[in-house]
Amino acid sequence: GQSLEQPSEVTAVEGAIVQINCTYQTSGFYGLSWYQQHDGGAPTFLSYNGLDGLEETGRFSSFLSRSDSYGYLLLQELQMKDSASYFCAVRDRGSGGYNKLIFGAGTRLAVHP
Amino acid sequence: EAGVTQFPSHSVIEKGQTVTLRCDPISGHDNLYWYRRVMGKEIKFLLHFVKESKQDESGMPNNRFLAERTGGTYSTLKVQPAELEDSGVYFCASSQGRTRTQYFGPGTRLLVL
Repeated sequence: GQSLEQPSEVTAVEGAIVQINCTYQTSGFYGLSWYQQHDGGAPTFLSYNGLDGLEETGRFSSFLSRSDSYGYLLLQELQMKDSASYFCAVRDRGSGGYNKLIFGAGTRLAVHP
Repeated sequence: EAGVTQFPSHSVIEKGQTVTLRCDPISGHDNLYWYRRVMGKEIKFLLHFVKESKQDESGMPNNRFLAERTGGTYSTLKVQPAELEDSGVYFCASSQGRTRTQYFGPGTRLLVL
């Protein structure tokens, strides 16, 4: 089967750093994406790792180790507005060579003052 | 540039009824995806259109679900007849070419009573 594991909830305080881990087991793998979703909103693309290593985008960084089937999202200088659900998603090969995304169940991040 | 839009935002129907969900992708995006999130679980892939053609429908749960994308623009997803287990949030996403980023709509929240 195909599965992605990530913690269900994480709590942190403003200004802190938090890391959300994701381990995956999928039949195919082309890369790991991270999406943010505020309650009632659309999942919004944050970051993508196709190769091993760290990708940095402002306060957000994402890391991938393909040999360990593991990645993480690092959020720095947390702000209240970062309270949301965060999903890791494996970019897998669908029919005809196009992409499809296989998602984890999501991690709900609560940022407190 | 307008994002992905979905209609309706919410739908409450009775078991056995029919519901049609609509998705308007970002203008010019050839790829259109449908996903579903049931009962707080992971977001699951349903199917993928490239223009008007179904590229991958491996995630469609059964033949009560029918997706169309006439003319390669907007798409509809019809559930007929709806069952209780169809309740959830139905997301649409679009992307251009073989890019890795999929842009999601806000979803349609379907409740089957």
